[in-house]
Amino acid sequence: AQKITQTQPGMFVQEKEAVTLDCTYDTSDPSYGLFWYKQPSSGEMIFLIYQGSYDQQNATEGRYSLNFQKARKSANLVISASQLGDSAMYFCAMREGGAGANSKLTFGKGITLSVRP
Amino acid sequence: KAGVTQTPRYLIKTRGQQVTLSCSPISGHRSVSWYQQTPGQGLQFLFEYFSETQRNKGNFPGRFSGRQFSNSRSEMNVSTLELGDSALYLCASSSGAGGLSYNEQFFGPGTRLTVL
Repeated sequence: AQKITQTQPGMFVQEKEAVTLDCTYDTSDPSYGLFWYKQPSSGEMIFLIYQGSYDQQNATEGRYSLNFQKARKSANLVISASQLGDSAMYFCAMREGGAGANSKLTFGKGITLSVRP
Repeated sequence: KAGVTQTPRYLIKTRGQQVTLSCSPISGHRSVSWYQQTPGQGLQFLFEYFSETQRNKGNFPGRFSGRQFSNSRSEMNVSTLELGDSALYLCASSSGAGGLSYNEQFFGPGTRLTVL
């Protein structure tokens, strides 16, 4: 079974609107971390937001927030007030085990987001 | 603080050759992980080094190897290159610290390897 599933095809959003990018995960480890990265066409992976499995509140970082539903095993990224520069590939990733056990990330296939002016 | 650096940024090799890629992590970070990104397979974990020891390894053939130096810089080597090794190779650095705490990983810009 896939550990990280991102099934949305290319997503389009109008500038200044909000958009949700879906991510579901599968693990039996009670301790895990979920990450979202942005990859522009240049190729660099840019860290956006992190959510730990024991975190009580949903993570937020500026215009990015993570809608963490543990029982459903979903960790959707919400981007508010989209900007043209948000056009990129977005990856959801998971690290299993507590921090320090290892740093291995398992990535989903990614979602392409296009922001329309 | 300087970010993660990778050299070279671009590389063209022919089948059968070998290649060495370098990654310098963020100062103070002791963990370096390597990933291969291809259009077909996506992002796949190669291996992780922490304090000069390989801590985790992905499902890649033995042609892929790596090492980490005492200053935490890491190299990965691919021997007997195949056409399918053409990819973007990314390295990520983290503190690798223990505990159930936030463990951000910063990625470098990648090395784009083309095998002809």
